Amino acid sequence: DQQVKQNSPSLSVQEGRISILNCDYTNSMFDYFLWYKKYPAEGPTFLISISSIKDKNEDGRFTVFLNKSAKHLSLHIVPSQPGDSAVYFCAATSSGSARQLTFGSGTQLTVLP
Amino acid sequence: EADIYQTPRYLVIGTGKKITLECSQTMGHDKMYWYQQDPGMELHLIHYSYGVNSTEKGDLSSESTVSRIRTEHFPLTLESARPSHTSQYLCASSEGSYSNQPQHFGDGTRLSIL
Repeated sequence: DQQVKQNSPSLSVQEGRISILNCDYTNSMFDYFLWYKKYPAEGPTFLISISSIKDKNEDGRFTVFLNKSAKHLSLHIVPSQPGDSAVYFCAATSSGSARQLTFGSGTQLTVLP
Repeated sequence: EADIYQTPRYLVIGTGKKITLECSQTMGHDKMYWYQQDPGMELHLIHYSYGVNSTEKGDLSSESTVSRIRTEHFPLTLESARPSHTSQYLCASSEGSYSNQPQHFGDGTRLSIL
C-alpha cells in the first residue's frame, strides 16, 4: 500500500514556464514533507521541505504548497530551466515513525529549451 | 555539499558470491540509512542505524545485513547474491535526533547479479 503517491511519471514543460509537480499522501500522521531532485547516476539531493504547520514554503524559484485537508502537496518551479530536468521525489515522515522517510515513485521533469 | 561516499558505483557479479557495499560519511552524522530502488519506483528503506552498534531493519524485507562499528562507516553485506538482489542501493545520513534534518544521499551502487 503506497502511502505517498506521485501519479504523473513524467512532465514536460517549456523553458521559462512554470513546472508543477504533484504528490498525494494517505497517512494522516505525516507532519513533514520533503522534495528531492535526482539526476541520472547520482543520489537524490534535498531541494525543499515543509512542516504541516505551514501551507507554503518558498526558496528562490522553488515553492512547496501543502493542503492538509486534501492530503496533497505540490512543488512549483518558476521559471523552469533546462538544468531542472531531473526526477523529483516527494517524501513524507512523522514523529511517530522516528523520522523515517516514505518516498513516492518520482516524476521525471523535462524542461525543453 | 554533503560528503557521503559509496563504493563501488557499479558491480556485476555472479550468483552465490558474497558482496559488501561500502558507505562512508565525513559529516559525523549519527543516523545512517540504506535504501533499495528499482527503476521508476520509490526508494524503500531496508536498514537504518541511529548510532554505533545500533542497527534496525526497515520497511522492506531484505536478505542483506549491516553493521555500524564506527560512526562514519555503514557497510551492507549480501552473504550469497541472487538475481533478485539486482537493484540500486542508496546510502544516506542525517543529523539530529528530533530535528527535521534532511537526509543526504550518496550516489548509489548499481548492483547486477547474473
